[in-house]
Amino acid sequence: EIVLTQSPGTLSLSPGERATLSCRASQSVTSSYLAWYQQKSGQAPRLLIYDASRRATAIPDRFSGSGSGTDFTLTISRLEPEDFAVYYCQQYGSSPRTFGQGTKVEIK
Amino acid sequence: EVQLVESGGGLVQSGGSLRLSCAASGFTFSSYSMSWVRQAPGKGLEWVSYISSSSTTIYYADSVKGRFTISRDNAKTSLYLQMNSLRAEDTAVYYCARDYYDSRRWFDPWGQGTLVTVSS
Repeated sequence: EIVLTQSPGTLSLSPGERATLSCRASQSVTSSYLAWYQQKSGQAPRLLIYDASRRATAIPDRFSGSGSGTDFTLTISRLEPEDFAVYYCQQYGSSPRTFGQGTKVEIK
Repeated sequence: EVQLVESGGGLVQSGGSLRLSCAASGFTFSSYSMSWVRQAPGKGLEWVSYISSSSTTIYYADSVKGRFTISRDNAKTSLYLQMNSLRAEDTAVYYCARDYYDSRRWFDPWGQGTLVTVSS
């Protein structure tokens, strides 16, 4: 089973700042089969990025994903008030599909 | 609009059973595989089970294998999760989620979730 480790656990930033979230896999993720989700308090997760770098439908272009192999990054170029939430990475390159433990982006 | 609406959660004693349902609308349900994903209170996400579009392929997480059964009714555009021999560690919000067509890739969209609480 591939273990995904996200860092940092919590990111304290101000609106307008750039957020950089990391997701590291315990072994190489086949074909960059990695997704990112946003989860706001009390809500279901929402797909942001798939295939490591492709934005899902209706996701603003301030969200971008990059990486390959074992190291992946989600970048939010300029934080909007609605972006403060928990973010999860998920790999689907091997079974079972697994998630990282999450990074909370909070208002500084 | 694609919609997934879960129901059937509640409070159950350890060792008990519960059946979750997920009503789907807004897309051709029979063309997509589906999954259940859970989230324990204050914790992260855990994939639970997968079923292909025609029910021919089914997978379970090791943590629920032998206790949970996934099924679907394409005529009723509904997904189910029969949970038996429930344990305290099964306490979680259970989400149904659509897979990318008939493949095991990302989950999009997700339902709003239904809370299952197992008391010991």
